[in-house]
Amino acid sequence: QVQLKESGPGLVQPSETLSLTCTVSGFSLTSYSVSWVRQPSGKGPEWMGRMWYDGDTAYNSALKSRLSISRDTSKNQVFLKMNSLQTDDTGTYYCTRDSLITVFDYWGQGVMVTVSS
Amino acid sequence: NTVMTQSPTSMFISVGDRVTMNCKASQNVGTNVDWYQQKTGQSPKLLIYGASNRYTGVPDRFTGSGSGTDFTLTISNMQAEDLAVYYCLQYNYNPNTFGAGTKLELK
Repeated sequence: QVQLKESGPGLVQPSETLSLTCTVSGFSLTSYSVSWVRQPSGKGPEWMGRMWYDGDTAYNSALKSRLSISRDTSKNQVFLKMNSLQTDDTGTYYCTRDSLITVFDYWGQGVMVTVSS
Repeated sequence: NTVMTQSPTSMFISVGDRVTMNCKASQNVGTNVDWYQQKTGQSPKLLIYGASNRYTGVPDRFTGSGSGTDFTLTISNMQAEDLAVYYCLQYNYNPNTFGAGTKLELK
């Protein structure tokens, strides 16, 4: 069945770089796009960016200067790197699959990231 | 960016109630709106896509409607398991944007 699982450090120092990995199973990264979505505690989600099925990328303009999304199709993994982290980057980070009929039909369990010294 | 404004922010409801919540887009998004349900401690789950289409396995007490800028999610015969925060999302424009949510709580 379709599964997505995020992994990465739970604590990041201010001004440092966040690196997260999304490992997927049950579908191919060359057939479906994968997005990263984050959610501060108690707030609505925010779409960060997308790795398209064809290898192209799209980013939220608010984060574009700090964000990079890449993939390794042989390992079924999508990667997020975001630099210059600040305390307001604290929250839960999810990877999601774009369905063929809409977006975000499957979500990972999320990884909580705290930016603090 | 397209702002999605949800109302009300929270609702106190009873089991069996009919619940209606709203989402207003700051510009025309056609029917490119989804609704998601998020229970405490869980990831969001897709309920409605394309403004009015129930996703696989979603009970028929959930109904989405609307187009353009105004959208509604209705839960008929509210169940205790429906207590959650509900978010609308537009995917007509980049960036895709979510509303701030409507939280359903028991009276």
